[in-house]
Amino acid sequence: EDQVTQSPEALRLQEGESSSLNCSYTVSGLRGLFWYRQDPGKGPEFLFTLYSAGEEKEKERLKATLTKKESFLHITAPKPEDSATYLCAVQIDNNDMRFGAGTRLTVKP
Amino acid sequence: EAGVTQSPTHLIKTRGQQATLRCSPISGHTSVYWYQQALGLGLQFLLWYDEGEERNRGNFPPRFSGRQFPNYSSELNVNALELEDSALYLCASSPGTGGEEQFFGPGTRLTVL
Repeated sequence: EDQVTQSPEALRLQEGESSSLNCSYTVSGLRGLFWYRQDPGKGPEFLFTLYSAGEEKEKERLKATLTKKESFLHITAPKPEDSATYLCAVQIDNNDMRFGAGTRLTVKP
Repeated sequence: EAGVTQSPTHLIKTRGQQATLRCSPISGHTSVYWYQQALGLGLQFLLWYDEGEERNRGNFPPRFSGRQFPNYSSELNVNALELEDSALYLCASSPGTGGEEQFFGPGTRLTVL
């Protein structure tokens, strides 16, 4: 069965304390892996798309990487405004998008 | 460039009623997707429309239905509302039919009393 698992469920960091979020997946035919950021009560905001193992994308303090079984979202020197829920999603056949449950990140000043 | 818009922002209904939610995609996008995000749960795929046709649906009962209009906007209809239908309903759009990122609207918060 196609499955997406994110860990940890919640992560509390001090401002400037770098860390990584994990997204592991088991799917039959990966068309793309997506990272989104979601603030409470709002729609997800697109961050990155990764298509093949070894691919990396960067945006400000965020860097996403992809292997054949998992993806990491690395956060370097986070700031309080990076606090949000980060969602990972995989797109499989027929545009079916499977989302993980998310990692709730809190960055304390 | 305007993003995905959804209306209404909030909707309160009672059990057994029908709800209609609306979505306008980003200009130039032909695909529209609907998701349900219940409290404490992840996003669950509901429906995908492209060029006016339903292309795929998730594991939801038939009382969840919708349509896409010639201008690519879309409606989600939920009939015979149940308490567990209370959730944030998110619409997303993408340029075409495969592999592209989806851009989300702000959502409609549906509360069923």
